[in-house]
Amino acid sequence: AQTVTQSQPEMSVQEAETVTLSCTYDTSENNYYLFWYKQPPSRQMILVIRQEAYKQQNATENRFSVNFQKAAKSFSLKISDSQLGDTAMYFCAFSPFSTGANSKLTFGKGITLSVRP
Amino acid sequence: AAGVIQSPRHLIKEKRETATLKCYPIPRHDTVYWYQQGPGQDPQFLISFYEKMQSDKGSIPDRFSAQQFSDYHSELNMSSLELGDSALYFCASSLQGGATEAFFGQGTRLTVV
Repeated sequence: AQTVTQSQPEMSVQEAETVTLSCTYDTSENNYYLFWYKQPPSRQMILVIRQEAYKQQNATENRFSVNFQKAAKSFSLKISDSQLGDTAMYFCAFSPFSTGANSKLTFGKGITLSVRP
Repeated sequence: AAGVIQSPRHLIKEKRETATLKCYPIPRHDTVYWYQQGPGQDPQFLISFYEKMQSDKGSIPDRFSAQQFSDYHSELNMSSLELGDSALYFCASSLQGGATEAFFGQGTRLTVV
């Protein structure tokens, strides 16, 4: 079974600054995917960024980037130039690589990020 | 672009009643996942379907059942509702079983009183 750990329950950052959210995971799988999801007050689950474990290059999506350390089983999210709209709950999630419809997501407990004006 | 549609968006039921939640996946998506998110909690996987067959099962109570129909929409049936069933229920869909492109619906907020 896989586990995902987000040890920081909440963080706060000043608008326009950079913040890093931490995530560690445990698995015996060699091929898998890691995700960061954003859940704003509307409770919609929004995919922020995705990383394939077999890719060494860290994923980047505009202001969002990850630091993926496979050996350390660490997957942190860096948000640059923080904006007020980034205020949300952020979940780290794991999925095994599978084409057999067994790709359920295992989520961490989430972290509440507040961006201060 | 079409998204995952869940209905109803909000539902209030009394204890011991029955509820049915519906999920309409993105067109051509053949896989549906159901998740339950309690207040202040992370989403927990309940059950998934691929090509109308149950493909995986998580921490779904025996009082709950689900199925995927020929048009690929899915329904989650919940009986003998308890106060602890109050939660946000998400449906997500993907193509060919993979979670790499799983898209979430907006969720159904169930309140049991």
